[in-house]
Amino acid sequence: ETGVTQSPTHLIKTRGQQVTLRCSSQSGHNTVSWYQQALGQGPQFIFQYYREEENGRGNFPPRFSGLQFPNYSSELNVNALELDDSALYLCASSSTLWGGGVYNEQFFGPGTRLTVL
Amino acid sequence: AQSVTQLGSHVSVSEGALVLLRCNYSSSVPPYLFWYVQYPNQGLQLLLKYTSAATLVKGINGFEAEFKKSETSFHLTKPSAHMSDAAEYFCAVTEGLSSASKIIFGSGTRLSIRP
Repeated sequence: ETGVTQSPTHLIKTRGQQVTLRCSSQSGHNTVSWYQQALGQGPQFIFQYYREEENGRGNFPPRFSGLQFPNYSSELNVNALELDDSALYLCASSSTLWGGGVYNEQFFGPGTRLTVL
Repeated sequence: AQSVTQLGSHVSVSEGALVLLRCNYSSSVPPYLFWYVQYPNQGLQLLLKYTSAATLVKGINGFEAEFKKSETSFHLTKPSAHMSDAAEYFCAVTEGLSSASKIIFGSGTRLSIRP
């Protein structure tokens, strides 16, 4: 069973540029959540995708956008990069069963370290 | 909205000593609660989770946590620290009871182990 993978592992961009981060979810998972973890802080929820639709969003501006593909992999896009966007970006996949009443664990990938200069 | 408070950004204990990492959450409705561990340059690994079953939850690597509703706490303990336990620990709570509920993380506690 393949775990959650993310690419690239590291990325350096300059202010104003755009970036795309990628996440491959664990086999059988239909939900992907993205988190931003600034240095020395806990991860903060950006948004979640379930069956290719956005399913919840945290306090992030519209320049943070995402996609989920039919194979449940996902992309996080950030436009007009700012210095404060420098962080570790984590994605987590899970298997969502609506109405099931059972919480299924979110499995995290190793993250992409983004540096904005 | 849910929030999580971790008391102490840095905890240092001697090898073999008790580990106690403190976590309090904000809601009166018991959500799902978690402890995650993060080793340097790695993602998050789930240590244990509380999902309204037993209040004492046992996790991996000898860690356990006790859910106390009256104190809105979910402190993490390990009887005897090992050097390999040195890492960042995050307490977290779901904002709802659905499998799709987002996770709210605390700011983390860095655990150091003295030889």
